[in-house]
Amino acid sequence: DQQVKQNSPSLSVQEGRISILNCDYTNSMFDYFLWYKKYPAEGPTFLISISSIKDKNEDGRFTVFLNKSAKHLSLHIVPSQPGDSAVYFCAAKKGGANSKLTFGKGITLSVRP
Amino acid sequence: ETGVTQSPTHLIKTRGQQVTLRCSSQSGHNTVSWYQQALGQGPQFIFQYYREEENGRGNFPPRFSGLQFPNYSSELNVNALELDDSALYLCASNEGAPYNEQFFGPGTRLTVL
Repeated sequence: DQQVKQNSPSLSVQEGRISILNCDYTNSMFDYFLWYKKYPAEGPTFLISISSIKDKNEDGRFTVFLNKSAKHLSLHIVPSQPGDSAVYFCAAKKGGANSKLTFGKGITLSVRP
Repeated sequence: ETGVTQSPTHLIKTRGQQVTLRCSSQSGHNTVSWYQQALGQGPQFIFQYYREEENGRGNFPPRFSGLQFPNYSSELNVNALELDDSALYLCASNEGAPYNEQFFGPGTRLTVL
């Protein structure tokens, strides 16, 4: 059962435009959501996160929006840059004593110069 | 501050064999998690160790086992390898609290023939 879903496998955008990456989840016990970026031959690196008590978190060019009623979150990258081309994973965490993350399948973002 | 390192980078084994993968956590991080990332999938949580004790386990059989050592290193052991065990194995470390950022290593690519 895929509790975190990233239904679009890929996205291509023009440099300077907005990239919107979507993620849906099914488990209402998730209370913390994260986005990771992964380049080939490297491990995932943390990008931005949001607690379930918020609906928006912004960090420079990256903003994450959370819609709890729809169990949906999105990552906005503005403006997109060629260096943003990577695989983006949405991940979620339930409350508890361990750090277990549940990941989606990832979206490959390509930013065209 | 050194990052998370993993060894070896690549490994080829045959069905039925046993394998040990190694991870060196970031200094001061007393929590380590292991994930399996199959091709085209997101990372899946295998288990986590906190202060050398298992502290959570995902849906993986007992032939997946681990150890964590006081010097911030850890091991993932897989017995009786199966073809489906072919994947990228990632370790991630963080300081104790479950919501602290996890730092991932570059992974070990295991191929089972």
